Amino acid sequence: GDSVTQMEGPVTLSEEAFLTINCTYTATGYPSLFWYVQYPGEGLQLLLKATKADDKGSNKGFEATYRKETTSFHLEKGSVQVSDSAVYFCALTLNNAGNMLTFGGGTRLMVKP
Amino acid sequence: GAGVSQTPSNKVTEKGKYVELRCDPISGHTALYWYRQSLGQGPEFLIYFQGTGAADDSGLPNDRFFAVRPEGSVSTLKIQRTERGDSAVYLCASSLGGGYENIQYFGAGTRLSVL
Repeated sequence: GDSVTQMEGPVTLSEEAFLTINCTYTATGYPSLFWYVQYPGEGLQLLLKATKADDKGSNKGFEATYRKETTSFHLEKGSVQVSDSAVYFCALTLNNAGNMLTFGGGTRLMVKP
Repeated sequence: GAGVSQTPSNKVTEKGKYVELRCDPISGHTALYWYRQSLGQGPEFLIYFQGTGAADDSGLPNDRFFAVRPEGSVSTLKIQRTERGDSAVYLCASSLGGGYENIQYFGAGTRLSVL
């Protein structure tokens, strides 16, 4: 079946450090890929997305590139801030009717001042 | 504008009891989804509505779980004879339509604790 695997956390970084959170997927078709973020006490929010191979999604300094050859969608940010502390979820949808999301297990990021 | 609203935010019940969880989607969104998030895991799909009908209920774990959306807006997730393993955060999301181009907006969830 379709699945998403992301690196386990927590990931602890100092402010202004470079961030990478790895995400790989298995899918029977050609999925759309997403990163969602969950800040403490809040609901899931879409951070960025990419709908086809080689697309790059970006938002709030975060980027991820859809790599079909490696079935990956790694999340990166050049300089993290304390306010980026949250749980990050990689997800896919198969672009079929319904568009149900399949999520990875989440990666907690902790940024220290 | 208002986002997706879920009530209650927390629900504590005893094993064997019946519970109802409510989701009020963003106005005008025809697609509505329920997901379940167990502690330390990612959300898992339960059921998807397009309008009033359940278009896909393949994620419901068993027949104790049921959901309705009678007027194509508010949805209720119903769990009968609750078990301790049902304890989780139940998330609702809505989108303009069911296509992949439509972003799903999530509510803050209902945390269900079965004692």
